[in-house]
Order: sequence, then C-alpha cells, then structure tokens
Amino acid sequence: EIVLTQSPGTLSLSPGERATLSCRVSQSVTNNYFAWFQQKPGQAPRLLIYAASTRATGIPDRFSGSGSGTDFTLTISRLEPEDFAVYYCQQYAFSPRTFGQGTKVEIK
Amino acid sequence: EVQLLESGGGLVQPGGSLRLSCAVAGFTFSDYGMSWVRQAPGKGLQWVSGIRSSGAETYYADSVRGRFTISRDNSKNTLYLQMNSLRAEDTAIYYCAKDNGWLASYWGQGTPVTVSS
Repeated sequence: EIVLTQSPGTLSLSPGERATLSCRVSQSVTNNYFAWFQQKPGQAPRLLIYAASTRATGIPDRFSGSGSGTDFTLTISRLEPEDFAVYYCQQYAFSPRTFGQGTKVEIK
Repeated sequence: EVQLLESGGGLVQPGGSLRLSCAVAGFTFSDYGMSWVRQAPGKGLQWVSGIRSSGAETYYADSVRGRFTISRDNSKNTLYLQMNSLRAEDTAIYYCAKDNGWLASYWGQGTPVTVSS
C-alpha cells in the first residue's frame, strides 16, 4: 500500500498569509494521479486540485498545486477566512487509493 | 448539479449488518464509476470500495474484503454498500463519491455508522 505523509500536521497562520502544505509519497506516482481535498468541520471533502496541478471546477486561483514523482505541494497564496480547514492529499494511481493523514490550517 | 445522497447508516451491534444506499442525480449515473470512502471519528479518510460504471468490476480495501459488497442499480441511479460482520473499527461516516477515472470528484454528505453493543 502506498503511504502518503503530510507536513506539517498543523499550520497556524493569519488571514492574508501564504500557506505551503507538503505531501511525500512512498512510491513515485505515475501520470501525476495526485489530488488535494479540503474538508471543513461537519462537511464532506471537496476536491481542490487533481492531476497534481489542475484546479477543480470553481476553485479560486489562490489555490495551486505542484510537484511530481514523490513530492507534492499545495500552496494557498493569500489565506481567506474560509480557507481555514483540514487538507488531505491523495494518490489515485494505485489501488488501494490512499490519503495522507491531513494538515490542519488554523487561524493564528 | 451533481447530487449524491447517502442513507442507511445507524447503530448496529458487532457482527451485525447494514446496507448503505447512495441516490444520485445531476449526471448520467451509468457512465461513471463510483466509490465509498469512510472517515472514523476524528480521523482521516480511507477508501473502502469502488465499482466500475457497468458494475462488472469491483474493488475493495483489504480491511473490508470478504465482509462488504459494493453494487449498483443503474436503472435506479443508486449505489449500494452491503456491510456484514461489522466490527467496532468500521465505525465511521461513509461517503459515496462519483469517480472520474480513479478520482473521487464529487462527494455526498455522508451517513454515519456506529458499531457498538
């Protein structure tokens, strides 16, 4: 099973700051089949980024994804109040599809 | 607008069974694979099972293989998860998701399952 390790576990930032979230994968992800999800309390996860760097429909351009192989990054250029949430990375190249443990972005 | 509505969750004793349903609207159900993903209380996400658009191929996480069965009725636009021999560690919110290829692109709001005596 492919293991995804996210860092940091918690990111404490202020609105307007830049957030950089990392995800390391135990095996190279083929075809960049890699995604990022956002989850707010009491809500279902929402797809933000797929194919490592493509924003899903309706996702603001302050969200960007980068990386390839085993190292991937989600960047939020300027945090808005609604961006404080938990973010999960996922590889969907191999079965079983696996997720990272999550990074919580909290208000400082 | 894509809509997925899960139902069928609840409280069940260890060793018991439940059948979850996911009714969909807003897209051509028979064209897409579907998945179930769960989230234990206060924990992360775990993919549970997937099914191809025709229903001919199914996939399971090792932790549920042999106990859970995924199926679909394309005439009713509904996805199912039959869960047998339930254990305490199956306690979670169960989400259904619309797949684009292997990517879970849209998620329902989830249905809670609690396995406890």
